[in-house]
Amino acid sequence: NAGVTQTPKFRVLKTGQSMTLLCAQDMNHEYMYWYRQDPGMGLRLIHYSVGEGTTAKGEVPDGYNVSRLKKQNFLLGLESAAPSQTSVYFCASSRDREIDEQYFGPGTRLTVT
Amino acid sequence: QQQVKQSPQSLIVQKGGISIINCAYENTAFDYFPWYQQFPGKGPALLIAIRPDVSEKKEGRFTISFNKSAKQFSLHIMDSQPGDSATYFCAVPNTGTASKLTFGTGTRLQVTL
Repeated sequence: NAGVTQTPKFRVLKTGQSMTLLCAQDMNHEYMYWYRQDPGMGLRLIHYSVGEGTTAKGEVPDGYNVSRLKKQNFLLGLESAAPSQTSVYFCASSRDREIDEQYFGPGTRLTVT
Repeated sequence: QQQVKQSPQSLIVQKGGISIINCAYENTAFDYFPWYQQFPGKGPALLIAIRPDVSEKKEGRFTISFNKSAKQFSLHIMDSQPGDSATYFCAVPNTGTASKLTFGTGTRLQVTL
């Protein structure tokens, strides 16, 4: 049981490049989330999903897109990376409600130059 | 947008001392208040949570105290240990659209020998 995994662990992009971050969970959780963590800002929700085929915007969705084609996977895309998107990105999942424990992945450290 | 104010930003406590971290919120969708713990290089993990039909919950050395009228809750770490050195986040269920937690900005705790 791997829990929540994220790929890649590190990435450096140039401004304007695109990339996709992959999150996978093997706990059969309905809810999945993408957060970004910046110094002094805590964890901010980018997008989330309450089930396969559904997505919704969080607190800071601009510049990001997501897809949840399979229940176990949640993809975060950056179409045209900007230096302001330099951050550590965390994926999380929970059973079926926000009051259920959220299980976090190990994070992806992204640098945009 | 839900506001969650967490203090202090950082905290240094001697081994054996008491660590206290506070959170204040404006509104909540319902009464559920978790604390997450994050070690360097790792994703956050649920430490303790309260669903307050009581004003306090204790698990080992960790206690959540809740004051509903003041819209505040706090984490107390008794007999703090160097292994408790981590960043701690409080969280509050967001009002409005379901399925979201709003996290505090985090408290970096260092327990010295």
